[in-house]
Amino acid sequence: DIVMTQGALPNPVPSGESASITCQSSKSLLHSNGKTYLNWYLQRPGQSPQLLIYWMSTRASGVSDRFSGSGSGTDFTLKISSVEAEDVGVYYCQQFLEYPRTFGGGTKLELK
Amino acid sequence: QVQLKETGPGLVQPTQTLSITCTVSGFSLTSYYMQWVRQTPGKGLEWMGFIRSGGSTEYNSEFKSRLSISRDTSKNQVFLKMNSLKTEDTGVYYCARDHGGYSPFDYWGQGVMVTVSS
Repeated sequence: DIVMTQGALPNPVPSGESASITCQSSKSLLHSNGKTYLNWYLQRPGQSPQLLIYWMSTRASGVSDRFSGSGSGTDFTLKISSVEAEDVGVYYCQQFLEYPRTFGGGTKLELK
Repeated sequence: QVQLKETGPGLVQPTQTLSITCTVSGFSLTSYYMQWVRQTPGKGLEWMGFIRSGGSTEYNSEFKSRLSISRDTSKNQVFLKMNSLKTEDTGVYYCARDHGGYSPFDYWGQGVMVTVSS
């Protein structure tokens, strides 16, 4: 199984500052078709996860352009520019190159 | 609009069988894959299995021997059944939708909390 490892944030993050969340995979998620099969989800308190980013850098419908994804085949970053109150929650990366689909352990974002 | 909603028993005794229903609206089960994901204190988010738009299934080997996923397209419902429950199966169970192939889970249900306890 592909293991996904997420880094921690230096919480709390001051409102209006940027935050970067890292994720590493145990195997390259770069497919031969050129797409990188890495998703980012946000789970707000008391809610289910919601899709933010797929194919490493494509924002899902309705997601703010303050969210951006980047990376290589195994190292990924979700950047949130100008953090707001609605961004609070736990962020998860997920690989969807192979089954079983696997998730990172989550990175909590708290607001100052 | 797209909606998914899980319903289940809340409390299940160890060794018993868990049954959860995911009722969907706003799309057809014959056009999308339906996934099951759970969130437990011990393992976080875990993919459990899915049923394809055509009705075939795949399971995580972690659960394969005790998990079953099925559906009733006439009722827009997907079912999860898992037997031989243990206390570590306590958690929130989600259904989610994807387009099949290399697709993210674009819509999730609200989840249903299941406690395994005697």
